[in-house]
Amino acid sequence: NAGVTQTPKFQVLKTGQSMTLQCAQDMNHNSMYWYRQDPGMGLRLIYYSASEGTTDKGEVPNGYNVSRLNKREFSLRLESAAPSQTSVYFCASNNPGTGGAEKLFFGSGTQLSVL
Amino acid sequence: GQQVMQIPQYQHVQEGEDFTTYCNSSTTLSNIQWYKQRPGGHPVFLIQLVKSGEVKKQKRLTFQFGEAKKNSSLHITATQTTDVGTYFCAGPPRGYKLSFGAGTTVTVRA
Repeated sequence: NAGVTQTPKFQVLKTGQSMTLQCAQDMNHNSMYWYRQDPGMGLRLIYYSASEGTTDKGEVPNGYNVSRLNKREFSLRLESAAPSQTSVYFCASNNPGTGGAEKLFFGSGTQLSVL
Repeated sequence: GQQVMQIPQYQHVQEGEDFTTYCNSSTTLSNIQWYKQRPGGHPVFLIQLVKSGEVKKQKRLTFQFGEAKKNSSLHITATQTTDVGTYFCAGPPRGYKLSFGAGTTVTVRA
């Protein structure tokens, strides 16, 4: 089992360029998430997908779009990159339980720099 | 803004000493989770606390969930260099979406 796989690991963009971050999980999880991590800010939720076919905004969705392609894959797209989107991006997945959130499994992250 | 606050932001510890990091929420949490992120790595789940007043131990790590389910703490005894990293608490104030604290970054002086 690979767990959660993210690509690419590193990316440098120029302002205005677009790109898609890919994420796939092989744990048969229903829910998938995209977080960004900035120094001193912890992990902030960008978008999430509670189940296949659904997506919803998190805390910081502006400038991003997502696609839940199937149960395994959840992609994050930056249509017109801005320097403020320089960050480390993590994909995560879990199966939410009836008692509240269940533990998240994270990918290894994508370090994105926008110049 | 963030629903879950963590203090301190940085903790510099002499090897062998104990320390505690705290997590406070503005709302009641159904559960609280703790994650550890090594430098350059990704967050890895450590533990989940569900019951009011719950205390769980993992070797030198002791996790506690407050009686009101609004705060939590992580206490590490006899700190080792392997404890270096950032510790995050996270709770689901709304449904099942986790809200993460800003983390406590731990460095260890040998």
